[in-house]
Amino acid sequence: KAGVTQTPRYLIKTRGQQVTLSCSPISGHRSVSWYQQTPGQGLQFLFEYFSETQRNKGNFPGRFSGRQFSNSRSEMNVSTLELGDSALYLCASSQDGVRGGYTFGSGTRLTVV
Amino acid sequence: AQSVTQPDIHITVSEGASLELRCNYSYGATPYLFWYVQSPGQGLQLLLKYFSGDTLVQGIKGFEAEFKRSQSSFNLRKPSVHWSDAAEYFCAVGFMEYGNKLVFGAGTILRVKS
Repeated sequence: KAGVTQTPRYLIKTRGQQVTLSCSPISGHRSVSWYQQTPGQGLQFLFEYFSETQRNKGNFPGRFSGRQFSNSRSEMNVSTLELGDSALYLCASSQDGVRGGYTFGSGTRLTVV
Repeated sequence: AQSVTQPDIHITVSEGASLELRCNYSYGATPYLFWYVQSPGQGLQLLLKYFSGDTLVQGIKGFEAEFKRSQSSFNLRKPSVHWSDAAEYFCAVGFMEYGNKLVFGAGTILRVKS
């Protein structure tokens, strides 16, 4: 059974640009969540999608957005990148949210220069 | 607000010695409880989880955790640590009532000395 796949693994972007990260969940999982991990703030919840609907959003500016497709694959987008957006972005999938437990991908390392 | 506390930022243990990593949470009811491990540059791997029932939970790689409702704690233990256990360990709690998100502790970095 394939795990959670995140692409790309590494990205380098310039301030002001935008970026799109992709996540393919485990087959059959309908809930996809995104987390940002930084040395200073730790792991912080960005948002969660279930059956193409955003069910919850963390305390991040509107520059951070996401979506989920009918096949449960998800993308997150960050517009107008800032240096502080440099982080490891982790995607996690579950059959039905917290109750099912989350499986994490290996993450996308975003560096903003 | 919900919070998770891992009081130890770093722990150093000799190979073969026992290990206990502490985790306390702040929440009125019993949340869903998890321990994850992260190796450098990698994602999070689930070690074990607790939802209900037996308060002693067995996980992968020889780890176990005990839920103590009276202390709002979910400590991770391993009887004999191996050098490959060196990594960062995160305790997390999940709340369906707060939108299916996980709230993570700050993590504990485990160093294993030979």
